[in-house]
Amino acid sequence: NAGVTQTPKFQVLKTGQSMTLQCAQDMNHEYMSWYRQDPGMGLRLIHYSVGAGITDQGEVPNGYNVSRSTTEDFPLRLLSAAPSQTSVYFCASSYDGANVLTFGAGSRLTVL
Amino acid sequence: AQSVTQPDIHITVSEGASLELRCNYSYGATPYLFWYVQSPGQGLQLLLKYFSGDTLVQGIKGFEAEFKRSQSSFNLRKPSVHWSDAAEYFCAVGPTGGGNKLTFGTGTQLKVEL
Repeated sequence: NAGVTQTPKFQVLKTGQSMTLQCAQDMNHEYMSWYRQDPGMGLRLIHYSVGAGITDQGEVPNGYNVSRSTTEDFPLRLLSAAPSQTSVYFCASSYDGANVLTFGAGSRLTVL
Repeated sequence: AQSVTQPDIHITVSEGASLELRCNYSYGATPYLFWYVQSPGQGLQLLLKYFSGDTLVQGIKGFEAEFKRSQSSFNLRKPSVHWSDAAEYFCAVGPTGGGNKLTFGTGTQLKVEL
């Protein structure tokens, strides 16, 4: 099993550009989520999903969009990147609502 | 709102010494509590979790944690640290059945001196 796969691992964007961070899991997990990690701030929840077609906002959703058309995939879209979105992004999934998360390896994004 | 405090940003211990990492949480009901570890450049790996029952929980790699409701704490311990334990440790709290909505602490960076 691959677990949770995130692509790309590294990305540099200019302010105003758009991009999508991809997340795929092959464990048939219903729950998926996106976190961002910034120095001294731990991980903060951006968006999460409890199943295909269902998404909701987390703690820091502004500037990010998500959709969940399949159980396997949960892409994170930045429509107009800003320097404040420079961060390491982690996708996570779990089988149920018990919050035992499996994390991807992360995607490091730099916005110039 | 739920919150997690990890008061120690950095901790240095000698290999073979005991370790305790502190975690205090704020939550209105009985929470789900977790400790995760992150090695440099890696994702997070679950060390242990507390849902209910026995307040002393055992995890992987010889770690344990004790839930103390009266102190709103969930401290992580290891009797004898190995050099490979050097990493960043995160405490997290989540609502029961909350579906991935974890709140993380800011992390404690552990350095192990040989």
